[in-house]
Amino acid sequence: AQSVTQLGSHVSVSEGALVLLRCNYSSSVPPYLFWYVQYPNQGLQLLLKYTTGATLVKGINGFEAEFKKSETSFHLTKPSAHMSDAAEYFCAVSDLGTGGTSYGKLTFGQGTILTVHP
Amino acid sequence: DGGITQSPKYLFRKEGQNVTLSCEQNLNHDAMYWYRQDPGQGLRLIYYSQIVNDFQKGDIAEGYSVSREKKESFPLTVTSAQKNPTAFYLCASSMGRIHQETQYFGPGTRLLVL
Repeated sequence: AQSVTQLGSHVSVSEGALVLLRCNYSSSVPPYLFWYVQYPNQGLQLLLKYTTGATLVKGINGFEAEFKKSETSFHLTKPSAHMSDAAEYFCAVSDLGTGGTSYGKLTFGQGTILTVHP
Repeated sequence: DGGITQSPKYLFRKEGQNVTLSCEQNLNHDAMYWYRQDPGQGLRLIYYSQIVNDFQKGDIAEGYSVSREKKESFPLTVTSAQKNPTAFYLCASSMGRIHQETQYFGPGTRLLVL
């Protein structure tokens, strides 16, 4: 079974500082990996995703993530935090459904709340 | 604009009552999903549907029911058998043909128990 672990339920940074949100996964097959962002009382918005190819993936709002197979990690980074980055971030992994169907079930991590201080 | 709409934004349930959450999409997506979100637990899959008139249980289907009579609509009923229904409910959709595709989420419905 797939699983996702996000290290740190809360991360606090100063405006302009590096943002690093950690995600580790377990998967028996090559994974497809996603980062979503959620602002309070809203739905989830896709930040970026890794499927195949280049292991460094760039997303919206200046975020990027690197797929490291040897470390089973997909950490999210942003060089300089902005106040508007304050939100909850979810890492997710997609796998094949039962019976070999192409259903892409998403398994989510527990989420990391990012706080940005002025 | 294409997207997913959920209604109502807030819903109150009385003891022993069934309530239905609406989810509509105009993205022409085949697959639709319902998730439950509780603080500190991420999102957990309740039900999903890959095609009209077909749906499967997710990880926490007990106490919930769904229907998929139209491609655009995937309503979720929270039955009286669900003893702890207070949560934020999110509906999502995807094209449904390949497993690395993106799921798009609606704005959510918050269900509270009176």
